[in-house]
Amino acid sequence: EDKVVQSPLSLVVHEGDTVTLNCSYEVTNFRSLLWYKQEKKAPTFLFMLTSSGIEKKSGRLSSILDKKELSSILNITATQTGDSAIYLCAVSVNTGTASKLTFGTGTRLQVTL
Amino acid sequence: DTGVSQNPRHKITKRGQNVTFRCDPISEHNRLYWYRQTLGQGPEFLTYFQNEAQLEKSRLLSDRFSAERPKGSFSTLEIQRTEQGDSAMYLCASSLVAGGPDTQYFGPGTRLTVL
Repeated sequence: EDKVVQSPLSLVVHEGDTVTLNCSYEVTNFRSLLWYKQEKKAPTFLFMLTSSGIEKKSGRLSSILDKKELSSILNITATQTGDSAIYLCAVSVNTGTASKLTFGTGTRLQVTL
Repeated sequence: DTGVSQNPRHKITKRGQNVTFRCDPISEHNRLYWYRQTLGQGPEFLTYFQNEAQLEKSRLLSDRFSAERPKGSFSTLEIQRTEQGDSAMYLCASSLVAGGPDTQYFGPGTRLTVL
């Protein structure tokens, strides 16, 4: 059975800190890995990673995939209170007809003043 | 582009009643997915459509659940004879498949509470 594990489960940091969120996976027919940010409603897309070792960056957020280690990290530098959310890692698996997502349980990040 | 929309946003029903949710995907997106999310968990795949064809259903989708996408645009998810265990957030996502990995964009969800 496909499995995605995120750590830590929750994290409290002070504004300005840098955080690293981890995601590891065990799936068959890996297609891509995606990161989403979820506040009170729908997951909002952040990054999609398909190739090992290539960093994706958007402002203070960046992410990289390690296919050898079956893992990915999401970095957030100079955190702000608006970064408080649940960060979801999902792996897209190719089932032949679909590319459905298997999600981890998420990392709940709280940024305090 | 207004994004993925879902209606209603909240639904409270009594056990045993039927409920129907609607999802309008991003226009021109050919794939539409339904997920269910319970508290403290990530979303779980339920089913997906490529245009109007329902191509895969999760074993989570019992016989009481049915989904349609009759014209390849909006989709409906119906739950018959609701049970308290059906209480969850039902998320819809859409994507455009054009040869490579597709990115799924999510709607705001419908939160179902079964009393």
